[in-house]
This record gives sequence, structure tokens and C-alpha cells, in this order.
Amino acid sequence: EVQLVESGGGLVQPGGSLRLSCAASGFTFSTYWMHWVRQAPGKGLVWVSRMSSDGSSTSYADSVKGRFTISRDNAKNTLYLQMNSLRAEDTAVYYCARRSGGNIPFDYWGQGTLVTVSS
Amino acid sequence: AIQMTQSPSSLSASVGDRVTITCRASQDIRNDLGWYQQKPGKAPMLLIYAVSSLQSGVPSRFSGSGSGTDFTLTISSLQPEDFATYYCLQDYRYPPTFGGGTKVEIE
Repeated sequence: EVQLVESGGGLVQPGGSLRLSCAASGFTFSTYWMHWVRQAPGKGLVWVSRMSSDGSSTSYADSVKGRFTISRDNAKNTLYLQMNSLRAEDTAVYYCARRSGGNIPFDYWGQGTLVTVSS
Repeated sequence: AIQMTQSPSSLSASVGDRVTITCRASQDIRNDLGWYQQKPGKAPMLLIYAVSSLQSGVPSRFSGSGSGTDFTLTISSLQPEDFATYYCLQDYRYPPTFGGGTKVEIE
């Protein structure tokens, strides 16, 4: 069974840092591109970042570019999101999601982890 | 970025009703269009990909259609478990972008 389990969320002050993790199981993690998507309270879904299966390629939304860094450890089947210089507008539930092959978009999602940026 | 405009933003319907949700892209996205269902406090779930392909395990009352810039999600006979928020997604061009969502409520 495919499982994605996020962790690392919490309350952080503006300007602070947080690292999210996404532990994958039930599939060959090293062969899938992985993504982060966030959802502010009561709002819609917004794509944040992606990383290729081997870690050689990354992309970021303009809103987080230069502040967030995506990474992965294929030996540990884990995806990460390092978030620096956090702002109030980064407050959201952060989901990791797997992108399947071909034109199948995000087919499996984690349960999400809440990040709250507030003083 | 490609803008995805979903309508309506909310609707009220009864069990057994036929429901249609539309999504319009700001440019041609070919067939790179998916639909998701999200229930409160839960992660989104993929319903349809490539405009009209049903994801494994999704009931056949869900269907998708469209091409180019205009797309539709149809629920042929609304069931109690279908009350949720629905989002379209384009991943034809980066960044992937979602529609604003359609909340389907009980009438």
C-alpha cells in the first residue's frame, strides 16, 4: 500500500525556519518525481515545489523561490522541504504528493502537516 | 502561469442529482487536466486524469470531458459521500495550477 507521511510542522515565528519530512513506503520511491503542495486555512491548493526522481532537477513556485529548498534521500525513502525566512502567508497545510508517470498527475498524497507562522 | 477558472464556486444539490462543474484554462492545455475531490481535513484524492480517464477505484458516476481550454466534471447521480470540494488541475505547463475549487453542498 502506497503511503506518504508528512511530519515536522508546527508553530514558528516570522523569519524562522522549519524542515518538513515526507516518509514514503509501499512503492519504489527512487523512481518517482515528488512534489509539495500547500493549502492555506480555508483556501485552495497551491503547488510549491518538485524534485526529480534522482534529485538532479528542482522547481519552485515564485512565492517560495530563494527561501525554500526541496531535497530527498532515496536511501531513506524520504522527501524534505527546508523552509527559511518564513512569513505569515506561508501558514498552510503542506502536503507531499507523488507524480505518477505519463500524464497522470499527483496520484497519492500524504495527510498533510500544518505550518503556522505567527508571533 | 496558466490560470484555471472554476465555476461555480459552490452549489447545492440533492442526492440523485446530476452535477456539472466546469474549469476554463487561460490557454490551451491539451489534455493535461485532472480533477480532485477533497473532504474536510483530508488530502485531495485524484478522480480523473488526462481529461476523461477514471483513476483506479473511482466510481463510474464520475466522468470528465473537454479539450483545449474548457473542461467539465460530471457526477451522474450524486451520492451522500460525494459532498466535498472539487478542484481541477493543469500540469501541461509549469507551474502546475489548480482551479479555485467548487464546494458541493447538500440542498
